[in-house]
Amino acid sequence: NAGVTQTPKFQVLKTGQSMTLQCAQDMNHNSMYWYRQDPGMGLRLIYYSASEGTTDKGEVPNGYNVSRLNKREFSLRLESAAPSQTSVYFCASSGVLLAGGTDTQYFGPGTRLTVL
Amino acid sequence: AQSVTQPDIHITVSEGASLELRCNYSYGATPYLFWYVQSPGQGLQLLLKYFSGDTLVQGIKGFEAEFKRSQSSFNLRKPSVHWSDAAEYFCAVVPFSGGYNKLIFGAGTRLAVHP
Repeated sequence: NAGVTQTPKFQVLKTGQSMTLQCAQDMNHNSMYWYRQDPGMGLRLIYYSASEGTTDKGEVPNGYNVSRLNKREFSLRLESAAPSQTSVYFCASSGVLLAGGTDTQYFGPGTRLTVL
Repeated sequence: AQSVTQPDIHITVSEGASLELRCNYSYGATPYLFWYVQSPGQGLQLLLKYFSGDTLVQGIKGFEAEFKRSQSSFNLRKPSVHWSDAAEYFCAVVPFSGGYNKLIFGAGTRLAVHP
């Protein structure tokens, strides 16, 4: 049981280049999330998908797009990378997404992205 | 402003010593509360969570946390630290704001353990 997997683990881009970060989960979870982690700031939510076919913006969505390809997969795309997007990116998933309710989020190992 | 505060950026303890990591939140209603641990170069692993009921919560790896409503706190404790506990610890909350399962993280506390 792999849980949440992310590819690639490391990536270096030049300013203006594009790339897609891939995430997959095998826990049959409905909800998936993308976070970025920057020193001294904890994790901040970029986008989330409450269920297959839906996506919504989180706290810091500018410069990113997402696709919920199916129930298992949720990708994050940087169309034109900027140095400010240098960060560690984490994907997470959870079973349910309810108003006023919650479920534990499980995290992938992360992708370390550097934009030069 | 609504937030999650971890007052200690870095903590150093000796192996075998006790540990307490602080977490305070500023939300009107009691949120759901979590502690995650991140080892170097790794993802986040859930240590424990509080939704309701007994305010002393037991987690994995010998950790526990106590929810104190009057202090809006959810401090993490361990009676005897092991060298393998060196990591970064994040407190997180899901506030009762309706909508989705939005997890708000504190900035983290980095724990170093001296032999």
